[in-house]
Amino acid sequence: DAGITQSPRYKITETGRQVTLMCHQTWSHSYMFWYRQDLGHGLRLIYYSAAADITDKGEVPDGYVVSRSKTENFPLTLESATRSQTSVYFCASSDWGSRNEQFFGPGTRLTVL
Amino acid sequence: TQLLEQSPQFLSIQEGENLTVYCNSSSVFSSLQWYRQEPGEGPVLLVTVVTGGEVKKLKRLTFQFGDARKDSSLHITAAQPGDTGLYLCAGEPTRGGATNKLIFGTGTLLAVQP
Repeated sequence: DAGITQSPRYKITETGRQVTLMCHQTWSHSYMFWYRQDLGHGLRLIYYSAAADITDKGEVPDGYVVSRSKTENFPLTLESATRSQTSVYFCASSDWGSRNEQFFGPGTRLTVL
Repeated sequence: TQLLEQSPQFLSIQEGENLTVYCNSSSVFSSLQWYRQEPGEGPVLLVTVVTGGEVKKLKRLTFQFGDARKDSSLHITAAQPGDTGLYLCAGEPTRGGATNKLIFGTGTLLAVQP
């Protein structure tokens, strides 16, 4: 199916473990974004990418790593998960010259025990 | 730093009532978008307004961009339970450069009771 997908939809892990959240889009959009959404904080940008092999930090990048070897994929890795990283994570994509309109995936709910 | 504040934060109304949600900033934006997010899903784009004073209608929803492009409003006429959700405004920064980043508002959680 066309669009933007995230996997897994739900994940429970333990403190200190490495976790990778996947994001895949079929539109060939240039830009991709990772956000976390927490009560009281709204959507906060973790990392973004303007194209394959081009990534940059957002508002809250500490503890996260991203890569973008292919235009359609933008995985987010928590190198050593902490309880404060319990959140709902959204991936989004946007096309060049689109007034920055973003299309979001369904989200991954991550719980770190 | 460009910020967007929404009001009210929470709104609980009865089916059939009208409501307005506000999105305000002291900064100018190149464009402004409204998204709706339902429980367990990602935000979905509703509309983009670009010109100061612009008004767009989407069925019972009316969106307006302020004349100075610093604020926006969303008016819902005769709200229905299906309108329930989190409404987010988001602005395209005037100094954003080639990043396609958005500045998101704080959100308004709307509950429409049948």
